[in-house]
Amino acid sequence: DAKTTQPNSMESNEEEPVHLPCNHSTISGTDYIHWYRQLPSQGPEYVIHGLTSNVNNRMASLAIAEDRKSSTLILHRATLRDAAVYYCILRAELPRRFSGNQFYFGTGTSLTVIP
Amino acid sequence: NAGVTQTPKFQVLKTGQSMTLQCAQDMNHNSMYWYRQDPGMGLRLIYYSASEGTTDKGEVPNGYNVSRLNKREFSLRLESAAPSQTSVYFCASIFTSGGYYEQYFGPGTRLTVT
Repeated sequence: DAKTTQPNSMESNEEEPVHLPCNHSTISGTDYIHWYRQLPSQGPEYVIHGLTSNVNNRMASLAIAEDRKSSTLILHRATLRDAAVYYCILRAELPRRFSGNQFYFGTGTSLTVIP
Repeated sequence: NAGVTQTPKFQVLKTGQSMTLQCAQDMNHNSMYWYRQDPGMGLRLIYYSASEGTTDKGEVPNGYNVSRLNKREFSLRLESAAPSQTSVYFCASIFTSGGYYEQYFGPGTRLTVT
């Protein structure tokens, strides 16, 4: 049972904004929404995360729906270096006895940036 | 500051052979994770260690064992490799502070089992 669903691929023109959607209809109240991206032949790297409110950082913005069943990663001006697979991930706190967190990765969206 | 390092970068094993994947971080993080990524798939958690001296199973632990040798190092062992374990393996360490939570990933180990 997939925790998150994302489009397989998207394209964007360079210098234009990109909106990457993610559905997580089974999210629970304590699950955080994280976004990571993975460039070819590299490990994933952190982009942004949030719980309920919209979030901004130097890389991107995260817009979270009021019911939290979906979210959108916004890249304000796509560059060629933003071409990557973007993963929308839910982070669930495990029961206390495990003292950790569980991350649920989907299959991601492959973003192509057109010069 | 090297971040998260993994060795080896590539490995080819025959079915039934054993090997240990090494992971080390120099960021003084408490938690470390091992993931595998199959072609065209997202990452799946194999094992994690929330702190030195503790390890727990993730989503796909069968066929693997782990050791949290010290705070810096977290190794993944395949006792008897199978072709189904052909994958790219990523180690990650986790920085947490208040509500902030970020995983730092290593470059990966590409393992082929023939």
